[in-house]
Amino acid sequence: AQKVTQAQTEISVVEKEDVTLDCVYETRDTTYYLFWYKQPPSGELVFLIRRNSFDEQNEISGRYSWNFQKSTSSFNFTITASQVVDSAVYFCALSGNRDDKIIFGKGTRLHILP
Amino acid sequence: DAGVTQSPTHLIKTRGQHVTLRCSPISGHKSVSWYQQVLGQGPQFIFQYYEKEERGRGNFPDRFSARQFPNYSSELNVNALLLGDSALYLCASSLRPGLSYNEQFFGPGTRLTVL
Repeated sequence: AQKVTQAQTEISVVEKEDVTLDCVYETRDTTYYLFWYKQPPSGELVFLIRRNSFDEQNEISGRYSWNFQKSTSSFNFTITASQVVDSAVYFCALSGNRDDKIIFGKGTRLHILP
Repeated sequence: DAGVTQSPTHLIKTRGQHVTLRCSPISGHKSVSWYQQVLGQGPQFIFQYYEKEERGRGNFPDRFSARQFPNYSSELNVNALLLGDSALYLCASSLRPGLSYNEQFFGPGTRLTVL
């Protein structure tokens, strides 16, 4: 069975602080894909990153970075120098290789306080 | 370029009624997926359609059905509505199936309230 766990339900940090959102996944597939999505109050899901199971290189995109560790089945997301516009719900997600079904975690609500 | 569009934006129904939600994919995209997002939870996969054929189905009752039209737009139908069907319904489109090489783009969703 596939499962994504985001243990942090809600996080509040002051603007300009760094914040890390945790994600742990379970899958029996050898080939799988991991995702992070942002959902602002408008409700639309915004794609942030896709990573396949064979690529364990960490990735940095501006203030965003992702740490993929297969050994601990984790795919954590760090926002550096957070801004108020980063306030949203963030979802970690997983998909196997057989179909396009994406399994989402329950999300972490991030509040960036001015 | 227009993104994924969904209609209506909001909808209020009563228990037992039927509802139809609509989705227009990004131009050129032939695959459409539907997700249900209950308040406080992550989205849950309902269906995927590609070239008018159902490619995948999540763990939802037969009250949920969908179809895809020749222009690749899609409808999600829910019969005999229950209070628990109240949710944000998200549509996602992609060029074709296969998350290994193309991403899904999500629409703004339709918020359904069942009273």
